[in-house]
Amino acid sequence: DTGVSQDPRHKITKRGQNVTFRCDPISEHNRLYWYRQTLGQGPEFLTYFQNEAQLEKSRLLSDRFSAERPKGSFSTLEIQRTEQGDSAMYLCASSLVGVERLAAASYEQYFGPGTRLTVT
Amino acid sequence: AQKVTQAQTEISVVEKEDVTLDCVYETRDTTYYLFWYKQPPSGELVFLIRRNSFDEQNEISGRYSWNFQKSTSSFNFTITASQVVDSAVYFCALQTGYSTLTFGKGTMLLVSP
Repeated sequence: DTGVSQDPRHKITKRGQNVTFRCDPISEHNRLYWYRQTLGQGPEFLTYFQNEAQLEKSRLLSDRFSAERPKGSFSTLEIQRTEQGDSAMYLCASSLVGVERLAAASYEQYFGPGTRLTVT
Repeated sequence: AQKVTQAQTEISVVEKEDVTLDCVYETRDTTYYLFWYKQPPSGELVFLIRRNSFDEQNEISGRYSWNFQKSTSSFNFTITASQVVDSAVYFCALQTGYSTLTFGKGTMLLVSP
């Protein structure tokens, strides 16, 4: 399978615990995005990386959230001291930008299956 | 600020009917991209189409067609001869600057046999 993968698919945790999610993008993609989706809503942007650099963070990303992409490949999203309001689907997407020879196939964001977090 | 509005929360049709999903967007940028994604019950977002703001040609792909009208800031999606497998939530999204996507709230399409 060469698509975006996420692990775990489901996570149930107690309020106050820390959780970490992992995303593996499509191998040649240089951009990686994190989104959050709550029930009945569209995905909302959290943050994105180009290679290992974190280029943008949403105001939705509180101090309890941190994301890394240390070697420009996989990424992790950590939530510290989880709250019930953090319960959501966390989606990862990747894309390839800035490569002119692949312009016809670039820029679309391809999504992984998501990690569903339930905070009890 | 960017905004995407999908006014239809839920649409129910019977198989073989045609159905149109509406999408209205707002942006001050002159260069932007519009997308449609499908989210079946399994939850994974599936990319359907990307259009740039300079290309207003309508597009057809099998039973799917898209109508982009800059004059009304709309990018509507029509499914012809709907099938049960088309049942899903469909999201319209807007992107500027090759960065993040701004999604609408989605339209749930239910196709019954």
